Amino acid sequence: AQSVTQLDSQVPVFEEAPVELRCNYSSSVSVYLFWYVQYPNQGLQLLLKYLSGSTLVKGINGFEAEFNKSQTSFHLRKPSVHISDTAEYFCAVSKAAGNKLTFGGGTRVLVKP
Amino acid sequence: GAGVSQSPRYKVTKRGQDVALRCDPISGHVSLYWYRQALGQGPEFLTYFNYEAQQDKSGLPNDRFSAERPEGSISTLTIQRTEQRDSAMYRCASSSPRPEQETQYFGPGTRLLVL
Repeated sequence: AQSVTQLDSQVPVFEEAPVELRCNYSSSVSVYLFWYVQYPNQGLQLLLKYLSGSTLVKGINGFEAEFNKSQTSFHLRKPSVHISDTAEYFCAVSKAAGNKLTFGGGTRVLVKP
Repeated sequence: GAGVSQSPRYKVTKRGQDVALRCDPISGHVSLYWYRQALGQGPEFLTYFNYEAQQDKSGLPNDRFSAERPEGSISTLTIQRTEQRDSAMYRCASSSPRPEQETQYFGPGTRLLVL
């Protein structure tokens, strides 16, 4: 079985500062990795995904994540955040295409002016 | 095109009543998933379908929960004899056939409150 740990439940950050959201996973098999964002009163939106190939993945809204197999991590970064990045971010894994997602507990990002 | 839609968006019910939550996936999407998200937690898998076949129902918490997708499109998640612990956000997602089968697109969710 897979599991996902998001090490920070809340991350306050000032506008235009960088942010990193940490995600570690455990799995006995190769996995696909995802980051989803949930804006207030909205559904989950895919930010980016890692399936294979280059370990640095670029997503929407200036976000990127790096897959590190040896550390079983998939940390999300953005070099300069905006107020509009205030949201909850979820890391997720699946063991194959067409399989269920296993989510972490989420990280709330609050961007302060 | 239209995304995944769910109805109702909010449902308040009394303990002991049955509720039915509906999910309308993106047109052409073969796979449909149900998740439940408690306050302050990440979504947890309940069940999923390929076409009309229920492939995995290992996440359904007990036999009060059931789901169907009779024509391979719209799905209904039914909770019988609701209990207060059933209060949560219920999320539906769908995915297309290959090559993007791994990407799940989520609806807005149904927030269920059991009094």
